[in-house]
Amino acid sequence: AQSVTQPDARVTVSEGASLQLRCKYSYSGTPYLFWYVQYPRQGLQLLLKYYSGDPVVQGVNGFEAEFSKSNSSFHLRKASVHWSDSAVYFCALSRNNNNAPRFGAGTKLTVKP
Amino acid sequence: GPKVLQIPSHQIIDMGQMVTLNCDPVSNHLYFYWYKQILGQQMEFLVNFYNGKVMEKSKLFKDQFSVERPDGSYFTLKIQPTALEDSAVYFCASSLVGGNSDYTFGSGTRLLVI
Repeated sequence: AQSVTQPDARVTVSEGASLQLRCKYSYSGTPYLFWYVQYPRQGLQLLLKYYSGDPVVQGVNGFEAEFSKSNSSFHLRKASVHWSDSAVYFCALSRNNNNAPRFGAGTKLTVKP
Repeated sequence: GPKVLQIPSHQIIDMGQMVTLNCDPVSNHLYFYWYKQILGQQMEFLVNFYNGKVMEKSKLFKDQFSVERPDGSYFTLKIQPTALEDSAVYFCASSLVGGNSDYTFGSGTRLLVI
């Protein structure tokens, strides 16, 4: 079985501050990991994904995430947030080629001007 | 980039009636998915469809639910009969392959069962 936990339901940061959104997963094998962003009344947009290689993966709009097998984590980071980054961020995990991604509960990010 | 289109964007239906949600996936994609999201909550996996067959489904994919993609047209989710708890936003997604793939999501169909 697989599961994804996003421990922070809401995060508020000031514009220009750094950001870390936490994601923990539970899966005994090698996971495919994803971060998606959802803007109001829209579908999910892929920020980045990871399967193997360099544990730090770069995504769109300055986002990056770091995979840690020892901590079963895949935290999302951004050095300096912009007000337009306000959205809901979902971490997701897929087991294999025939397994659809399973999502965490999401973290609602609010960036204060 | 390529888009997944969902039709209609909103649907209101009487409890007990049938509803069909339509999804026009990215043209060369082979895997199709439905997810259910209740008002701002978690995106819950419903079903994964490939090569004309359901590959996997969750406990949320009740017997009243069915999916098909006849002749490469829309990928559809049919609920018959609908129940009040089916009210949610239903997201369709597609991908070229499974696993480590770029999943493209539609903007959702907001279903209200009254």
